[in-house]
Amino acid sequence: NAGVTQTPKFRILKIGQSMTLQCTQDMNHNYMYWYRQDPGMGLKLIYYSVGAGITDKGEVPNGYNVSRSTTEDFPLRLELAAPSQTSVYFCASSWQGAGTEAFFGQGTRLTVV
Amino acid sequence: GEDVEQSLFLSVREGDSSVINCTYTDSSSTYLYWYKQEPGAGLQLLTYIFSNMDMKQDQRLTVLLNKKDKHLSLRIADTQTGDSAIYFCAEVYNNNDMRFGAGTRLTVKP
Repeated sequence: NAGVTQTPKFRILKIGQSMTLQCTQDMNHNYMYWYRQDPGMGLKLIYYSVGAGITDKGEVPNGYNVSRSTTEDFPLRLELAAPSQTSVYFCASSWQGAGTEAFFGQGTRLTVV
Repeated sequence: GEDVEQSLFLSVREGDSSVINCTYTDSSSTYLYWYKQEPGAGLQLLTYIFSNMDMKQDQRLTVLLNKKDKHLSLRIADTQTGDSAIYFCAEVYNNNDMRFGAGTRLTVKP
């Protein structure tokens, strides 16, 4: 079982560039999440999805967009990269909501210069 | 405040017990979690406790919950070098989100 797979693992972007962080899960989980982890801080929820076609904002959604066209995939889009988006990004999935175990990807380390 | 708080670092000797503390924010949280993050990997669920419990034991792990003080702790008995990792405390604060602490980096010295 692959679990939750994120790509790429590392990326350097210039200010103003755009990119998509990919996330896919093979566990048929309904819920998927994107978090960012800044140094010395806890994970902050960016966006989440409770099922295909449904997405909602988390705590820090500004500067990001998501889509959920299939159960498996939950890409995160950065349209105009800013230095404040330098962070480690984690995708996660769970069968139901936050009361069930979340499975995390390995993370994407993004640097915006 | 609105942050889940943990100390950032803990260093112990192999064979000693480790105690990682956490203060959470929402007294109505139904679940409280401990996740472990090894280098280069994502977070993995280590253990959890329901809010109606005071203690949960799972082999070398003991979780204590003090709801009055909103304090959660994780005790690892007979700590091994393989336990070196970052440990995150997390609470459920609405049905669809978890609030994480900043993580405690545990270093186990031989």
